[in-house]
Amino acid sequence: EPEVTQTPSHQVTQMGQEVILRCVPISNHLYFYWYRQILGQKVEFLVSFYNNEISEKSEIFDDQFSVERPDGSNFTLKIRSTKLEDSAMYFCASSTSGTSGSDEQFFGPGTRLTVL
Amino acid sequence: KNEVEQSPQNLTAQEGEFITINCSYSVGISALHWLQQHPGGGIVSLFMLSSGKKKHGRLIATINIQEKHSSLHITASHPRDSAVYICARNYGGSQGNLIFGKGTKLSVKP
Repeated sequence: EPEVTQTPSHQVTQMGQEVILRCVPISNHLYFYWYRQILGQKVEFLVSFYNNEISEKSEIFDDQFSVERPDGSNFTLKIRSTKLEDSAMYFCASSTSGTSGSDEQFFGPGTRLTVL
Repeated sequence: KNEVEQSPQNLTAQEGEFITINCSYSVGISALHWLQQHPGGGIVSLFMLSSGKKKHGRLIATINIQEKHSSLHITASHPRDSAVYICARNYGGSQGNLIFGKGTKLSVKP
């Protein structure tokens, strides 16, 4: 069964460093998402991506964040200068359609980011 | 303000019990999602529904669009059902981005 994969599973970095989190969505999916979950809190939407551009982004997704689909398979989230409060689990998700939220989203296993 | 409210926050049940988790939301939606998050952190989509009822194995999800309320039921609960169950609605507009509830932590004792 096709699945969303994410690498690395755990990333430890120093404050101020750049990190890139990688995701491989399901191959025939067209919409891609990043969510994050700070330990003990609810999952929060960061950004959605379609047709090689950002569709929507939340208030959390500030200038420190960027997303890219560098080739036909990978979807990346870059944090330019990490802060302690960026420590969280980051989930990638994909769906065949993004219309009105009425399509099932498939989630990757997550990358746990720890900023020291 | 959390626009998706779940109850209860925590739920402990004995194996075999019938479980109900409730979700209410404050704005009109086109679809509501129920997801399961395992202790390791992974998230699995259980249901996406916009009306009526859906069933998958021992899981049943219902939604009342007029009352802006949904329920997730688990029949004949089992310890392997222990997880966090999360309700989420679409963000609004025409996009699929989700707004999540805080989740209900279910623990089923043998």
